[in-house]
Amino acid sequence: EDQVTQSPEALRLQEGESSSLNCSYTVSGLRGLFWYRQDPGKGPEFLFTLYSAGEEKEKERLKATLTKKESFLHITAPKPEDSATYLCAVRGQGGKLIFGQGTELSVKP
Amino acid sequence: DSGVTQTPKHLITATGQRVTLRCSPRSGDLSVYWYQQSLDQGLQFLIQYYNGEERAKGNILERFSAQQFPDLHSELNLSSLELGDSALYFCASSVGTGEETQYFGPGTRLLVL
Repeated sequence: EDQVTQSPEALRLQEGESSSLNCSYTVSGLRGLFWYRQDPGKGPEFLFTLYSAGEEKEKERLKATLTKKESFLHITAPKPEDSATYLCAVRGQGGKLIFGQGTELSVKP
Repeated sequence: DSGVTQTPKHLITATGQRVTLRCSPRSGDLSVYWYQQSLDQGLQFLIQYYNGEERAKGNILERFSAQQFPDLHSELNLSSLELGDSALYFCASSVGTGEETQYFGPGTRLLVL
């Protein structure tokens, strides 16, 4: 069964303190791993898509990497505005996305 | 702004009632997906339509149904509502049914009293 597990569930950082979020997955034939950012009460906002092991993508203070079993979202020198829940998803059968429970990131000034 | 629109933003109703949620995909997108997000279940896939045809089904209850119209907007109908149906309902759209990115709308918050 396709499954996504994210860790940690919650992460508290000081402004400027770099860290990484983990997304472990099991899927029969990866057809894309997706990272989204979600603010409270809002829709998920697309960040990155990764398709093959070794692939990396960057956007501002965020960098996503992919191996055959997991993906990392690295946050470099975070700012308070980076506080949000970060969701990881893999594409399953029929195009549906299978989401992890998310990591709630809080960055304090 | 993802380009996906959803109405209404909030909906408060009573148990046993029926409601309709509406979604307009991004311009040029043919696929529409519906997801439910509750505190204990996270984001769960409900159903997908592609160019008017049902394409994939997830954990969608028999009390729920959806359709996609010729202008590509979609509606999710929820009937015989129960307290446990209270959740955020999101619509997402993509160009096709392959490996494209899905872009999410702002959601409809449903509260069943």
